[in-house]
Amino acid sequence: GENVEQHPSTLSVQEGDSAVIKCTYSDSASNYFPWYKQELGKRPQLIIDIRSNVGEKKDQRIAVTLNKTAKHFSLHITETQPEDSAVYFCAAPSSPGAGSYQLTFGKGTKLSVIP
Amino acid sequence: EPEVTQTPSHQVTQMGQEVILRCVPISNHLYFYWYRQILGQKVEFLVSFYNNEISEKSEIFDDQFSVERPDGSNFTLKIRSTKLEDSAMYFCASSELDTQYFGPGTRLTVL
Repeated sequence: GENVEQHPSTLSVQEGDSAVIKCTYSDSASNYFPWYKQELGKRPQLIIDIRSNVGEKKDQRIAVTLNKTAKHFSLHITETQPEDSAVYFCAAPSSPGAGSYQLTFGKGTKLSVIP
Repeated sequence: EPEVTQTPSHQVTQMGQEVILRCVPISNHLYFYWYRQILGQKVEFLVSFYNNEISEKSEIFDDQFSVERPDGSNFTLKIRSTKLEDSAMYFCASSELDTQYFGPGTRLTVL
């Protein structure tokens, strides 16, 4: 099955700086890579996703890049704000191509934005 | 915007008791999932459900667990005889295809 590694586990940045979180995956057949933001006690909230037919996707201050050859993808948050503080999880399909879409998650990155 | 809903938000039970966690997926979605998250840890896949049957399950999803779609809207997770280690946040999710949306979760506490 899929194995997803995520780094770093914690990240502190000054407000206004950029944050980058990186993930690697093991199954070269994986073709869909979502990122979720989870605030304390809340649901994982989808913030951006990317499919393997593109290398980069951007939504305002958030961007995701994908390198299929190296099997890694990254989340970039620019101009960070205190409300960006949360745990961020990357994920990849557990059984790509099997006709089901369950996800394998990384261990999460706790992002703290210091005002 | 439609959302996945779950009830109850918090369930406290005694070890050995049965619990049923309920979910209402987004109405036009075809795939349904249960995940769990032990406090401070990552989200772990339990089971996926499509076309009224289980499509995949993880090693966590043993004989104590079952899922059901009793009607056109609800999707339930039953734990027959709860153990202390079942204490966790249980999230339901649904998708049309690969993009999954999560419910707010049920915090299960087994005493």
